[in-house]
Amino acid sequence: NAGVTQTPKFQVLKTGQSMTLQCAQDMNHEYMSWYRQDPGMGLRLIHYSVGAGITDQGEVPNGYNVSRSTTEDFPLRLLSAAPSQTSVYFCASSYSWGGANVLTFGAGSRLTVL
Amino acid sequence: KNEVEQSPQNLTAQEGEFITINCSYSVGISALHWLQQHPGGGIVSLFMLSSGKKKHGRLIATINIQEKHSSLHITASHPRDSAVYICAVKTGNQFYFGTGTSLTVIP
Repeated sequence: NAGVTQTPKFQVLKTGQSMTLQCAQDMNHEYMSWYRQDPGMGLRLIHYSVGAGITDQGEVPNGYNVSRSTTEDFPLRLLSAAPSQTSVYFCASSYSWGGANVLTFGAGSRLTVL
Repeated sequence: KNEVEQSPQNLTAQEGEFITINCSYSVGISALHWLQQHPGGGIVSLFMLSSGKKKHGRLIATINIQEKHSSLHITASHPRDSAVYICAVKTGNQFYFGTGTSLTVIP
């Protein structure tokens, strides 16, 4: 099992550019989620999905889009990058959305928007 | 508004010391997680609790649902325990995270 795979690990964008952060898991997890981590702040939930075809907003969704066409993949799209989106992004998944299940994190993607 | 508060923010200990990190939360939860983030940035799950106490090696985690409080204890601390420890709570489909406790264990 590869676990949760995030790509790319590093990315530099100019303001206004678009990009997609990829997240894939091979554990047949129902629940997938995206977080951003900023200095002095805890991880904050951007979007999450409880299964293929189902997504919902988290705490800080503005400027980000997601889709979940398969169980394995949950890409995060930035349509028009802004400097405020400079952050480290983590994807995480768990077996099911209900009840208590361990979260498995990807290695993180460091994004800089100039 | 912070749903999850951790203390202390920073902690320095001598090797061998007993360490306690505290987490308080303000929302109803279905589970509480303790996570470890090493300097390289990767995050791993240490414990998931919904009641009582769990032990894994030198790590012990407890939760008091009535008081909305959890503690992470490290016995016989070692320099390899140096990391950021993060408390997270699950409420509904959402997770809320503390800002983390940065632990440095000096040989």
